[in-house]
Amino acid sequence: GAVVSQHPSRVICKSGTSVKIECRSLDFQATTMFWYRQFPKKSLMLMATSNEGSKATYEQGVEKDKFLINHASLTLSTLTVTSAHPEDSSFYICSAREDSNQPQHFGDGTRLSIL
Amino acid sequence: GQSLEQPSEVTAVEGAIVQINCTYQTSGFYGLSWYQQHDGGAPTFLSYNALDGLEETGRFSSFLSRSDSYGYLLLQELQMKDSASYFCAVLSGNTGKLIFGQGTTLQVKP
Repeated sequence: GAVVSQHPSRVICKSGTSVKIECRSLDFQATTMFWYRQFPKKSLMLMATSNEGSKATYEQGVEKDKFLINHASLTLSTLTVTSAHPEDSSFYICSAREDSNQPQHFGDGTRLSIL
Repeated sequence: GQSLEQPSEVTAVEGAIVQINCTYQTSGFYGLSWYQQHDGGAPTFLSYNALDGLEETGRFSSFLSRSDSYGYLLLQELQMKDSASYFCAVLSGNTGKLIFGQGTTLQVKP
């Protein structure tokens, strides 16, 4: 079945550091990838939608300069949390779908802790 | 706006049947998905209903009534490993965005 790989699984770093998270579709070409954020015991909050070769579409309230998204190929999207601060600590999850008729498949998530 | 309602917690015993309901208010409805998420893990796709009716996949079934803006996930022959959070999610519009409910924590007891 469809496999989405997300790396790294866990990051602990100092305040002010920029962190890059990768999301790869391993056995299919993902025309669209999505980035979510999830707080403990809460639902998934969509941050942005990323289509290959075009600029990401950010949800209301998500700072595009803070959360840089790149989707340079059909199998890779990256999320960079720039100048991270403790309030950015969260579980970040990507998903990918092959086309509009296919379900989204999720990566294993990245737990980001900013000290 | 868009909103989904599902119970926050459900408890059942091993071998039992449990139904998790989901009602939604949304524009541009394309379908209803269900995801399972274990503690610390990522969501796993369970099912998707675009049309009214029941979809069965092994021990899990999902139902949709578009006229009632309502769906449910039915879990049969519950096992301890089914203890997890279950999210309903509406597929909204042709952008393919998923809008998630707040999740239902299912606890299966021996």
